[in-house]
Parts: sequence; C-alpha cells; structure tokens
Amino acid sequence: EPEVTQTPSHQVTQMGQEVILRCVPISNHLYFYWYRQILGQKVEFLVSFYNNEISEKSEIFDDQFSVERPDGSNFTLKIRSTKLEDSAMYFCASRITGSRREKLFFGSGTQLSVL
Amino acid sequence: EDQVTQSPEALRLQEGESSSLNCSYTVSGLRGLFWYRQDPGKGPEFLFTLYSAGEEKEKERLKATLTKKESFLHITAPKPEDSATYLCAVQATGGGNKLTFGTGTQLKVEL
Repeated sequence: EPEVTQTPSHQVTQMGQEVILRCVPISNHLYFYWYRQILGQKVEFLVSFYNNEISEKSEIFDDQFSVERPDGSNFTLKIRSTKLEDSAMYFCASRITGSRREKLFFGSGTQLSVL
Repeated sequence: EDQVTQSPEALRLQEGESSSLNCSYTVSGLRGLFWYRQDPGKGPEFLFTLYSAGEEKEKERLKATLTKKESFLHITAPKPEDSATYLCAVQATGGGNKLTFGTGTQLKVEL
C-alpha cells in the first residue's frame, strides 16, 4: 500500500531555532494535513492544505508555524522560532479528496525535541 | 466544542479473551467516526469509518459499532499482535475536514 513519508524521523533543536519538517504525501492525494501528539496526550489537528492554500487551521497553528508545498511532491511544516512546548511527534497525513468517505493516511511522524 | 472520550485508558487481555473499547463523543453534527490503530513510534493506521447510528463494520477480529452518543470497538479472541493503542476520532459537520481524537485505549494482549 502507498505510504506517506516523513523526514527526519527525529529532530533535536535548540529553543529559538527554526525547523522544517518534511513530508512526501501519497502521489495522487490532493488534501494534506499536519497533526501533532505531545507525549501522553491526544493527537491534535494543526492545519489542512488544499490547492496550494491553507483551508483550515487550529488555535495551535499561530504565526510561528507555516506550511508550504514547494514542488509537486513535498509538503513542509516550518516552525520559525521553536519553544520547549513545541516538543512533540508531528504527523503528516494526506487523502485523495476531502470526502469523509476517503481514508486519511498518516506518516510515521517526526519526533521533535526542543532543548 | 467537539469532544471524544475513550475508556478504558488501558486494557490487558489474555489471548482469546474478548472485550470492548468505548468511545463517547459530543459533536454538533457527526460527519464520521473513525477508528485508528497506533503502534509505538508510528502514525495512526486507519481501521474503520462509521457514518450513522446503527452502522457496523468488521475486519478480522475487530468490529466497530455506532450509536448517537458512542462507538464500541469489539475485539473477538484477540491475539498478541492486536496489542496497540486504539484511537477514536470524529469529524463534525461544519468543522472542515479535521479530525478530533480521543486519548486512546492502550491494549495489551498476553499469551
């Protein structure tokens, strides 16, 4: 079965540094998402992206966060100035359409540790 | 605000000992209820989507059911390889495409 690929699997950074998390969604998918999971807590929605623009974002997704689809295959999440509380597992997800009947496929995640 | 509550938080079963996991939800309107399986260090893996009360879906030893307030994931004669965290999530009408997740039930099946 096709997979959503995320790199790196682990990222360690100093507080205040910028990080870019990378994702390669499944090739024919059109809707892209970022979720995060702080250790021991729920998986939380961050942002959805369709047709080269953000379609929805949560309160967590403030001005420090941005997303981009720089080419036909990659989807990135940038955190401009990381904080300790940004430490979490970040999951990229994609689906073919926005229909509720379409499966949402998740990647294996990037574990971000902010020191 | 959409809310999803899962119980129990953790469950230990002997191989072959059937049980059920519960997911209670509060949404303004339900577009879909989703069950995912999550293995340690991995992303959620899709299991089922349920759309309306009374609907049931099955896959191998798993069966998901839905009422207007909750969903159950029934595990029949589980095996050790069923050990994982099972996540429930809802998609609300008027809520875009985002999923709201519960905290999950961590299932351990022992020989």
